[in-house]
Amino acid sequence: EAQVTQNPRYLITVTGKKLTVTCSQNMNHEYMSWYRQDPGLGLRQIYYSMNVEVTDKGDVPEGYKVSRKEKRNFPLILESPSPNQTSLYFCASSSLRDRLDNEQFFGPGTRLTVL
Amino acid sequence: AQKITQTQPGMFVQEKEAVTLDCTYDTSDPSYGLFWYKQPSSGEMIFLIYQGSYDQQNATEGRYSLNFQKARKSANLVISASQLGDSAMYFCAMREQNTGNQFYFGTGTSLTVIP
Repeated sequence: EAQVTQNPRYLITVTGKKLTVTCSQNMNHEYMSWYRQDPGLGLRQIYYSMNVEVTDKGDVPEGYKVSRKEKRNFPLILESPSPNQTSLYFCASSSLRDRLDNEQFFGPGTRLTVL
Repeated sequence: AQKITQTQPGMFVQEKEAVTLDCTYDTSDPSYGLFWYKQPSSGEMIFLIYQGSYDQQNATEGRYSLNFQKARKSANLVISASQLGDSAMYFCAMREQNTGNQFYFGTGTSLTVIP
């Protein structure tokens, strides 16, 4: 089954404790992206990647890191989480193929709480 | 300036009636794509419909249609014959050819279908 998986689905942590949220897709998509969703703000793009070893900042990259060492994986790293990073996080992927109409496929989301 | 504006935080519609969810966008790129996603209370993001800036006709997918008014930079989603299962958050999103890789989402509209 074609899908985007994220782990963990739920995480409660404390300020400053480094964490990684994993994201993996099995559709051989070039493009992968991370979003955070906050009430009243919609989805905001954190980072995206067009291919292996290529990453770019989205609208809200501060406090986050990403890496793309393999095509299928795109982990999101919070080196020193803070309470304002409490949010719902989505990973998404799509084929690029130089077409605008390629929809993004979303993972199930990770609910992160930073105390 | 906001790239995507959704001015209706919440909407109500009677079952079996049609409803229009508003979306306006801001871009100077002549080539762009517009997407609508549905997010039910379970949290997953579901792709609904796509409209390209050069498409001559309004996009339709089953009960969903997109009222695309290019000169007004609006891309409203029309849901016909509303069903109880249509109750969800709806997000409008855009991707520009020039940037090509960054997605912009609106703040969403919460739709409630009343029996």
